[in-house]
Amino acid sequence: QIQLVQSAAEVKKPGASVKVSCKASGYNFLSHGITWVRQAPGQGLEWMGWISAYNGNTNYAQKFQDRLTINRDTATSTAYMELRSLTSDDTAVYFCARGNGYECDSWGPGTLVTVSS
Amino acid sequence: SYELTQPPSVSVSPGQTARITCSGDALPKQYAYWYRQKPGQAPVLVIYKDSERPSGIPERFSGSSSGTTVTLTISGVQAEDEADYYCQSADSSATGVFGGGTKLTVL
Repeated sequence: QIQLVQSAAEVKKPGASVKVSCKASGYNFLSHGITWVRQAPGQGLEWMGWISAYNGNTNYAQKFQDRLTINRDTATSTAYMELRSLTSDDTAVYFCARGNGYECDSWGPGTLVTVSS
Repeated sequence: SYELTQPPSVSVSPGQTARITCSGDALPKQYAYWYRQKPGQAPVLVIYKDSERPSGIPERFSGSSSGTTVTLTISGVQAEDEADYYCQSADSSATGVFGGGTKLTVL
């Protein structure tokens, strides 16, 4: 069955960076993109960006253009999301999902990132 | 930036029909997708490409599109359908966007 396993929760200080991993299994990793979505406490879903697992092309939301990097390792079927210059507003659960930006048909359980001094 | 607009809440009694709308200027040109999210869980795709239903999603879930509005319809609502529902689509540069979410309450 399709599984997306995400890295453990993180606590970061303001100004730091965080890198969250998403290891895929149960399907051909190269055939689908990986989309990243976050959800702040008590808030809605926020689309961050996605990567083509096939060729590594990315598309980021304008809001994150200057501090977000999404990449992937095809050898290990793992996608990564790195967010830099963290502030308390970045405290959220970060989800990866199988999908080329949309039609996200399988989701990871989420990774809680807490930004606190 | 591009926005999708949903009502914050919808309430229905069990067995009735719930309709959740999502409005956006680009919806005539871009497909819409719908997700259900229960507390503490990851979202689940319930409708894709405006009106297609993934395998495993009950037939009572359906989607439709008309102009700048798409609608998720849940017929014969059950208590287990109580959740937050989000629409998703894309802007003209294929950048994704979510609606603000609608809390469905089953009375």
